[in-house]
Amino acid sequence: EAQVTQNPRYLITVTGKKLTVTCSQNMNHEYMSWYRQDPGLGLRQIYYSMNVEVTDKGDVPEGYKVSRKEKRNFPLILESPSPNQTSLYFCASSRSGDTQYFGPGTRLTVL
Amino acid sequence: DAKTTQPPSMDCAEGRAANLPCNHSTISGNEYVYWYRQIHSQGPQYIIHGLKNNETNEMASLIITEDRKSSTLILPHATLRDTAVYYCIAPPYPGGSQGNLIFGKGTKLSVKP
Repeated sequence: EAQVTQNPRYLITVTGKKLTVTCSQNMNHEYMSWYRQDPGLGLRQIYYSMNVEVTDKGDVPEGYKVSRKEKRNFPLILESPSPNQTSLYFCASSRSGDTQYFGPGTRLTVL
Repeated sequence: DAKTTQPPSMDCAEGRAANLPCNHSTISGNEYVYWYRQIHSQGPQYIIHGLKNNETNEMASLIITEDRKSSTLILPHATLRDTAVYYCIAPPYPGGSQGNLIFGKGTKLSVKP
């Protein structure tokens, strides 16, 4: 089944403790993105990647890192999480950039 | 991205057609119209897209006016599971959005028994 998977689905952590949210797609898509969704602010892009080893900042990249070493994986790294990064995170993949397929989401709480 | 305007909410009776409007009066000639929906904090789901011809797939139909300034997403027989927030998006083509879709606030569709 074609899908985008994210892990973990739920995470509660403390300020400053490094964490990684994994994202994987099995559709051989070139484009992958990370979004965060906050009440009243909608979905905002954090980082995107147009292919292996090609990544760039989205609208809200501060405090996040990504890597794209393989086509199928696009992990999101929070080196030193802070409470303002408490949010619902979505990974998405796309062949062309606009028809995107989203993962189920990761709900992150930073205490 | 062209700016899109949608009503904040709509109701629809189960089994009836749901017609969701979207205004995109600033759309340019090469910008597609995309529709996504998000069911209660799940990942957004792609529904359909079109440029100027009407489109239909297994989920919905998309009617685009001849001047392309507005469109309507039609769910022909709405079910309770279609209750969701529906987003109309007009990213620049091709891939000019760099995969950064601007979702806006969308229309919250409530399908009622």
